[in-house]
Amino acid sequence: AQSVTQLDSHVSVSEGTPVLLRCNYSSSYSPSLFWYVQHPNKGLQLLLKYTSAATLVKGINGFEAEFKKSETSFHLTKPSAHMSDAAEYFCVVSKPAGRRALTFGSGTRLQVQP
Amino acid sequence: ETGVTQTPRHLVMGMTNKKSLKCEQHLGHNAMYWYKQSAKKPLELMFVYSLEERVENNSVPSRFSPECPNSSHLFLHLHTLQPEDSALYLCASSQDVSDTIYFGEGSWLTVV
Repeated sequence: AQSVTQLDSHVSVSEGTPVLLRCNYSSSYSPSLFWYVQHPNKGLQLLLKYTSAATLVKGINGFEAEFKKSETSFHLTKPSAHMSDAAEYFCVVSKPAGRRALTFGSGTRLQVQP
Repeated sequence: ETGVTQTPRHLVMGMTNKKSLKCEQHLGHNAMYWYKQSAKKPLELMFVYSLEERVENNSVPSRFSPECPNSSHLFLHLHTLQPEDSALYLCASSQDVSDTIYFGEGSWLTVV
């Protein structure tokens, strides 16, 4: 069985300050991990993915995430928030290749204050 | 532009209507998916098609009927829906069922 927990349902930051969105997972396998972003009235866009290569993964729009097996975490960070980063962010865990199943977190809504 | 196009973007239908949602992917992928996104609930996988064959059906009511005529197109046929079926329906595709999934922008469905 696998599960994913996004520790904060809402995060509010000021423009120009760092962003930290937290995600913990559990999996019986060596998982693949993803972060997706959903802007208002839009579909989900892939930000980045981890598939057992480098533990620090760089994504689009300046986001990155670090896979920490000992902590079962895959937190999403960005050094400096931009107003356009305001959106809903989903952490997703997947079974290894050849097995179907994506488990989505419940989402974290990021607000960016001017 | 994600390469996955959904139409219509918005649909309002009565409980006795029959309508369809359409999805087309331009990525050359072999797998396609329907997801349901309701307010305050995690994303729910409804159906998975791989090479036009349905490979997963997650206990979805029969009032939702998928159709995959080829690897580029996916439909979701809707009939006698309930108000609780109102949600955002997301189509997605991937190279194969173990690969990264790419989503369309969704179809907002309201059942009145």
